[in-house]
Amino acid sequence: NAGVTQTPKFRVLKTGQSMTLLCAQDMNHEYMYWYRQDPGMGLRLIHYSVGEGTTAKGEVPDGYNVSRLKKQNFLLGLESAAPSQTSVYFCASTPTGGTDTQYFGPGTRLTVL
Amino acid sequence: GQQLNQSPQSMFIQEGEDVSMNCTSSSIFNTWLWYKQDPGEGPVLLIALYKAGELTSNGRLTAQFGITRKDSFLNISASIPSDVGIYFCAGGNSGNTPLVFGKGTRLSVIA
Repeated sequence: NAGVTQTPKFRVLKTGQSMTLLCAQDMNHEYMYWYRQDPGMGLRLIHYSVGEGTTAKGEVPDGYNVSRLKKQNFLLGLESAAPSQTSVYFCASTPTGGTDTQYFGPGTRLTVL
Repeated sequence: GQQLNQSPQSMFIQEGEDVSMNCTSSSIFNTWLWYKQDPGEGPVLLIALYKAGELTSNGRLTAQFGITRKDSFLNISASIPSDVGIYFCAGGNSGNTPLVFGKGTRLSVIA
């Protein structure tokens, strides 16, 4: 099992450009999450999904959209990137609900100029 | 929403020393988890606690689920250089609500 994988690993964008980050998991997990990590801020939840076709807002959803068309994939979109979105993005998945261990991907480092 | 206060924010210790860090919350959790993040990687689970008062060890790591269910601590004994990283606590409750993460404790070990 590859676990949780993220594509790409690094990306540099110009302000206003759009991009999609892909998260894939091969563990048949129901729940998937997108976090951003900034220095001193810990992990902040952007959006999450409790199953295929569902999404919900987390703590910092503004400027991001997500889709969960297939159970194994969770996409994070930036429609018009801003420098404030420079961060490291982590995807995670868990078999079921809120008490389960989350399994994290390796992260995507995004820089917006 | 729920928040976790994790302390200390950072620590510099000598190799061989013991380390203690903790997490507190104003609300109750049914699960406490401790993760470690190595530089440039995603967090990895160290210890999971599911019962108030539970004390669980994983090698040199020991974690406890507080009796009040509002706190947890992690101890690392005889630290080594590979213990360097960021340690996160997380609290969870059953249902759809995601885990709540602390802001992390950054550990540096001086050889």
